[in-house]
Amino acid sequence: DTAVSQTPKYLVTQMGNDKSIKCEQNLGHDTMYWYKQDSKKFLKIMFSYNNKELIINETVPNRFSPKSPDKAHLNLHINSLELGDSAVYFCASSPGQRPYGYTFGSGTRLTVV
Amino acid sequence: AQSVTQLDSQVPVFEEAPVELRCNYSSSVSVYLFWYVQYPNQGLQLLLKYLSGSTLVKGINGFEAEFNKSQTSFHLRKPSVHISDTAEYFCAVSDMGGYNKLIFGAGTRLAVHP
Repeated sequence: DTAVSQTPKYLVTQMGNDKSIKCEQNLGHDTMYWYKQDSKKFLKIMFSYNNKELIINETVPNRFSPKSPDKAHLNLHINSLELGDSAVYFCASSPGQRPYGYTFGSGTRLTVV
Repeated sequence: AQSVTQLDSQVPVFEEAPVELRCNYSSSVSVYLFWYVQYPNQGLQLLLKYLSGSTLVKGINGFEAEFNKSQTSFHLRKPSVHISDTAEYFCAVSDMGGYNKLIFGAGTRLAVHP
């Protein structure tokens, strides 16, 4: 069983479209995250939820909206996609707000054309 | 605010040679330190972490790292690398009072040659 699973793995879409990426974890963790990895492999946090509550919201365009229906799921919806949104998006989870280290999903490669 | 500098973007090395991947951090508060590995087209996997106590930390796959507070460094070492160690390695820092937010370095590409 995959601990942190993301769907889809690949997403190719046109500029201006709206798309969603889904993430689910079966580890019983309380905290989930979205990170963006750009073409130079640089990783930057976007959002974090703890027990369905938003606790980290970095400087991200408001076209990006996370949603956590329950503590096992964290989805990312992106409106009006732009070329610069092309990246790999990683979901991760951890057992709480303690430094236990994350468990990452395998990523969603988003390509905007 | 914290920041992480990985001093080498690429490290080529021959199989069975030792390797050191360098990481320096900057922070005004005490921090936790991590190393992650990313194999091609995969997510990141935790190699090891420093939270407190002994400054020499052992991780998976034969890797170890040493925390040096005076030099604000957390270098990763392996005495003998394998072809399978070829991957991207990321150093990360999290402050002790925060929400477990990880700040990552830019990564070091380790290329092991036969």
